[in-house]
Amino acid sequence: DTTVKQNPRYKLARVGKPVNLICSQTMNHDTMYWYQKKPNQAPKLLLFYYDKILNREADTFEKFQSSRPNNSFCSLYIGSAGLEYSAMYLCASSLRDWGNYAEQFFGPGTRLTVL
Amino acid sequence: AQSVTQPDARVTVSEGASLQLRCKYSYSATPYLFWYVQYPRQGLQLLLKYYSGDPVVQGVNSFEAEFSKSNSSFHLQKASVHWSDSAVYFCALSMTMGYKLTFGTGTSLLVDP
Repeated sequence: DTTVKQNPRYKLARVGKPVNLICSQTMNHDTMYWYQKKPNQAPKLLLFYYDKILNREADTFEKFQSSRPNNSFCSLYIGSAGLEYSAMYLCASSLRDWGNYAEQFFGPGTRLTVL
Repeated sequence: AQSVTQPDARVTVSEGASLQLRCKYSYSATPYLFWYVQYPRQGLQLLLKYYSGDPVVQGVNSFEAEFSKSNSSFHLQKASVHWSDSAVYFCALSMTMGYKLTFGTGTSLLVDP
């Protein structure tokens, strides 16, 4: 099973309220990623976990948090949603196999709308 | 910093016609290069990938891509498209194996039946 699952598929949030998005995979991948995709823009990496180590991109460092309670699950947390957070959020996972290209497997995305 | 440019936001072709989707990249070394496809309501799926060797790589569903170091390009091609190829196609690069992807803005392909 090469499926990456994301919940919920659609999320409506109010400005100033927290948002928590969930991603899961059963491929025993050691790396999980979160990307943000806005209309007519490229998917943009927000952060990724390699095993238990969180790496956040410099320009979004303060805007997003994440946790990975076990190998299969990873969450994306927004402490106080603003209108600019409205976007599609894509989760991906991969296995760092140094003998092979590390293909990233993507989930279907969660569409977040902030009102 | 690295970047990926897909100059065509939308492409429309007739079924059975040939296809080329353009991708240009900017990176000081040879990157890992990828093409992903996103069908409606689905996640991105890998079509093909390149790092070294034969500059023409074969992918799934009869897609292929040609790497050109001199042109910093990685164009996607298909000899004969089908209506089911209608989707959004993303070109991406990675600096090292298993590392984060830098995407282009995508090309929306519509195949007229």
